[in-house]
Amino acid sequence: NAGVTQTPKFQVLKTGQSMTLQCAQDMNHEYMSWYRQDPGMGLRLIHYSVGAGITDQGEVPNGYNVSRSTTEDFPLRLLSAAPSQTSVYFCASSYDGTVSYEQYFGPGTRLTVT
Amino acid sequence: EDKVVQSPLSLVVHEGDTVTLNCSYEVTNFRSLLWYKQEKKAPTFLFMLTSSGIEKKSGRLSSILDKKELFSILNITATQTGDSAVYLCAARNAGGTSYGKLTFGQGTILTVHP
Repeated sequence: NAGVTQTPKFQVLKTGQSMTLQCAQDMNHEYMSWYRQDPGMGLRLIHYSVGAGITDQGEVPNGYNVSRSTTEDFPLRLLSAAPSQTSVYFCASSYDGTVSYEQYFGPGTRLTVT
Repeated sequence: EDKVVQSPLSLVVHEGDTVTLNCSYEVTNFRSLLWYKQEKKAPTFLFMLTSSGIEKKSGRLSSILDKKELFSILNITATQTGDSAVYLCAARNAGGTSYGKLTFGQGTILTVHP
């Protein structure tokens, strides 16, 4: 069991570039989510998914797209990177978002936009 | 808007001290409250609380939830330098348009000196 994996670990982008952060889990979890973490602001929810084919916006969705074509994968796309998107990004999954299950986090991707 | 507030934002103690971290929440359709420990990487799960007044305990850490007053505390007794970390609390809701969303507080930075 690899748990939740994220790639890449680090990335530097120029303003206006696009890229995809990858997230995969092998626990057959239905619920997956993306967070960004900025100093002094805790973790803020970007997008989440309650199952393959179903996604919804979180607290800070602007500038990001997601899709969920399989249970295992939940990629996050930055359409046109901006310096305000410099952050650490965490992907997380849990068995079911409606009941009280623990959420497992991936190791994070540190993104810098110059 | 769902909100989770932690206090204090930072705390410096010496080994052997006891600390109490606070978390208050205002979340629509509240389902559970979770505590995480974060040490320069992904958050790791500590506790999940769903019922008022029932203490959860793991070694020197314990936590309790008050659903009437909408808060939770995390206690750490006989602190050690290895307890130095950011402690995050998060409130989960269920149902409606915010399906299983976790709202995080800003975190409490705990530093334990030898």
